[in-house]
Amino acid sequence: AQSVTQLDSQVPVFEEAPVELRCNYSSSVSVYLFWYVQYPNQGLQLLLKYLSGSTLVKGINGFEAEFNKSQTSFHLRKPSVHISDTAEYFCAVSPSGTYKYIFGTGTRLKVLA
Amino acid sequence: DTGVSQNPRHKITKRGQNVTFRCDPISEHNRLYWYRQTLGQGPEFLTYFQNEAQLEKSRLLSDRFSAERPKGSFSTLEIQRTEQGDSAMYLCASNPGNSGNEQYFGPGTRLTVT
Repeated sequence: AQSVTQLDSQVPVFEEAPVELRCNYSSSVSVYLFWYVQYPNQGLQLLLKYLSGSTLVKGINGFEAEFNKSQTSFHLRKPSVHISDTAEYFCAVSPSGTYKYIFGTGTRLKVLA
Repeated sequence: DTGVSQNPRHKITKRGQNVTFRCDPISEHNRLYWYRQTLGQGPEFLTYFQNEAQLEKSRLLSDRFSAERPKGSFSTLEIQRTEQGDSAMYLCASNPGNSGNEQYFGPGTRLTVT
């Protein structure tokens, strides 16, 4: 079975500071990895995804993530956050050969002025 | 491309009543997914369709839940004899169907069972 762990339920950070949101996963098969963002009262929006190739993936809104196979991690980073980045962030895995996502419990990023 | 739409956006019902939600995927997306999200949790997979065929159902989908996609376009999720534990956000997503493709999510239907 697969699982996704987002250890930080909430991350407060000041505007223009860097941030890292952690994601670790467990799987006996290879997986595809995703980060989604959810703004209040909206659906989930894809930030970035890792399918194969370069382990450093760049996404929208200045976010990037690095796939680390040995540590089974896919941490999300942004060098300088804005107030508008305040939202809930979800890490998800999709085991290869399947089509469903398994989500983590989410990390609420709160950017402070 | 108008995105995935879901109706209604909010539903309040009394325990024991039946409810039905609708999802309209992005046109020509042959895969459609239903997830449930409770407060403080990530979305949990319920079921998915490829065209009109329901290919997988989670153990979360009790006998009171049924989903259909009769013509391979829109889908409905029905909950019979609702319970307070059914209160959640029900999310629908779709994609063209290649493994690894991102899923496009709708805004969700928030169900409150009183």
